[in-house]
Amino acid sequence: QVQLVQSGAEVKKPGASVKVSCKASGYTFTTYSIHWVRQAPGQRLEWMGWINAGNGNTKYSQKFQGRVTITRDTSASIAYMELSSLRSEDTAVYYCARSSYDFWSGYLDYWGQGSLITVSS
Amino acid sequence: QSALTQPRSVSGSPGQSVTISCTGTSSDIGGYNYVSWYQQHPGKAPKLMIYDVSKRPSGVPDRFSGSKSGNTASLTISGLQAEDEADYYCFSYAGSHYVFGTGTKVTVL
Repeated sequence: QVQLVQSGAEVKKPGASVKVSCKASGYTFTTYSIHWVRQAPGQRLEWMGWINAGNGNTKYSQKFQGRVTITRDTSASIAYMELSSLRSEDTAVYYCARSSYDFWSGYLDYWGQGSLITVSS
Repeated sequence: QSALTQPRSVSGSPGQSVTISCTGTSSDIGGYNYVSWYQQHPGKAPKLMIYDVSKRPSGVPDRFSGSKSGNTASLTISGLQAEDEADYYCFSYAGSHYVFGTGTKVTVL
């Protein structure tokens, strides 16, 4: 069965970076894409970016452009999301989610369990 | 890249129908048939309920249905049940990016 298992909760200081992992299993990793979505406490879902796990192409939300980097390791079937220059407003649960290969046809059919990232001094 | 607009809350009694609207622009909802809907219970990851405007994934009850007219998409829950109480989000392709809705809390009275 399809599973996306994310790394655990982390506490980071303002200005630091965080790298969240998302390990996929139960399907051929390189024939799908991964989106990253975050949700601040009590707030709505927010789209951050996308990576085609096959060719590595990426697209990012303008809001996070320059601060977010999404990569993947095809040998391990893992996608990563790194967010830099953290501030308190980045405190949120970060989710990875699977979508079809092409960027334009994305609906998110399987989700990871979420990773709580807390930014605090 | 503004969020799509949803009502903050809707409510209904068991067995009734409720409809959640999701309003965007011609650059997102109105321009493509790539709208999906997600159900989220407290503390849980979202779950796909509708994709490509009106298609239902395997395992999702047929009382959930989706539609679109112009720049507005809608999710209808017919025969409301207690377990349908949750937050619901629309999600749309917008050419160079994706955008979520503001979210709607569905309360079963």
